[in-house]
Amino acid sequence: TQLLEQSPQFLSIQEGENLTVYCNSSSVFSSLQWYRQEPGEGPVLLVTVVTGGEVKKLKRLTFQFGDARKDSSLHITAAQPGDTGLYLCAGAPGTYKYIFGTGTRLKVLA
Amino acid sequence: DVKVTQSSRYLVKRTGEKVFLECVQDMDHENMFWYRQDPGLGLRLIYFSYDVKMKEKGDIPEGYSVSREKKERFSLILESASTNQTSMYLCASSISTGNTEAFFGQGTRLTVV
Repeated sequence: TQLLEQSPQFLSIQEGENLTVYCNSSSVFSSLQWYRQEPGEGPVLLVTVVTGGEVKKLKRLTFQFGDARKDSSLHITAAQPGDTGLYLCAGAPGTYKYIFGTGTRLKVLA
Repeated sequence: DVKVTQSSRYLVKRTGEKVFLECVQDMDHENMFWYRQDPGLGLRLIYFSYDVKMKEKGDIPEGYSVSREKKERFSLILESASTNQTSMYLCASSISTGNTEAFFGQGTRLTVV
């Protein structure tokens, strides 16, 4: 079974701080996605990266796909309370399926 | 707006009961998925379907079965519920390959007592 390990598992920071979440695997993925899940809801897609080394920005969020397409990172600049949630990476090893990471639960304190 | 709807937000069932979790999507998506979500384990794939009447086992299919008689509906069946199946269950759909967005329902929190 392919695994995606995320770190850290939990993160509690003050508003305005920066943070980075990591998603690592020993397997190669054709693409990698990041989702955010808020309490009582299903995950919602933030971004998809498909090319090794690709960097995508979504306002204060920066996503990077590793050169070897085995890992990814999510960096948040000047975190806001609205960034609070569970962040999940998901890799597509081929067609149809998504393999989800273990999740990072972020809490941003005002 | 795209929508994946799960029939129940909360369910409480007794050990040994047969449990049906229903999921409907209105996007004409080919692929549908059932995941369970447990703290520290992320989302684990139970079953997925890439076409009507087609199904494939995911990583943790034991104790579960699925049914997809119509394109828009994907049902998860717990043949004989057990306490270790207490979990959050999430249904998702996507248009085709793994590079595309998965749309999720709001989840069903199942408690087996």
